[in-house]
Amino acid sequence: NAGVMQNPRHLVRRRGQEARLRCSPMKGHSHVYWYRQLPEEGLKFMVYLQKENIIDESGMPKERFSAEFPKEGPSILRIQQVVRGDSAAYFCASSQLGDTGELFFGEGSRLTVL
Amino acid sequence: ELKVEQNPLFLSMQEGKNYTIYCNYSTTSDRLYWYRQDPGKSLESLFVLLSNGAVKQEGRLMASLDTKARLSTLHITAAVHDLSATYFCAVTGFYNNNDMRFGAGTRLTVKP
Repeated sequence: NAGVMQNPRHLVRRRGQEARLRCSPMKGHSHVYWYRQLPEEGLKFMVYLQKENIIDESGMPKERFSAEFPKEGPSILRIQQVVRGDSAAYFCASSQLGDTGELFFGEGSRLTVL
Repeated sequence: ELKVEQNPLFLSMQEGKNYTIYCNYSTTSDRLYWYRQDPGKSLESLFVLLSNGAVKQEGRLMASLDTKARLSTLHITAAVHDLSATYFCAVTGFYNNNDMRFGAGTRLTVKP
């Protein structure tokens, strides 16, 4: 049973470029969460999605950041016009409603902005 | 706003010793989670605590939850080097189980 799959694992972008991070939840999970982790810090909630719906995006910057979870395919976190401050590890997690609420995390995507 | 505070943030201990990591949170919640993260790796779920007084043990780690005090502890017994990692506690809000907030993490180093 495959876990949460994220790709790419490492991504390098120059300032002003776009970054797209993908996340496939665990089989049977319909809820996806994105977190950002800066070096030496904890995880900061960004956005929570269900299929075709954004449920809570209160932790996501209003500009340049967007997320989607289409009916088919992975969830995508998109960062436009990246800046150096966007350099971080972005973790995706999934859960199944009705469960303990426990989140299962992917390996993360590490974005470096030059 | 739900806030989660862990202490200590850094912990260096000798093998064989015992220690406790504390996790305080700011609002009513009855769901608390402990995760482990190795450097450059993902988060691994350790414990899920779902009620006041819950206690769970796995090997040398034991976690407990006191919802009245809004406090969870992670106790380490007879530490070994393999336990070196960063440990995070996380809490979901009472009215919003979908918003899981994490503490800053406790970086544990166990020295031989």
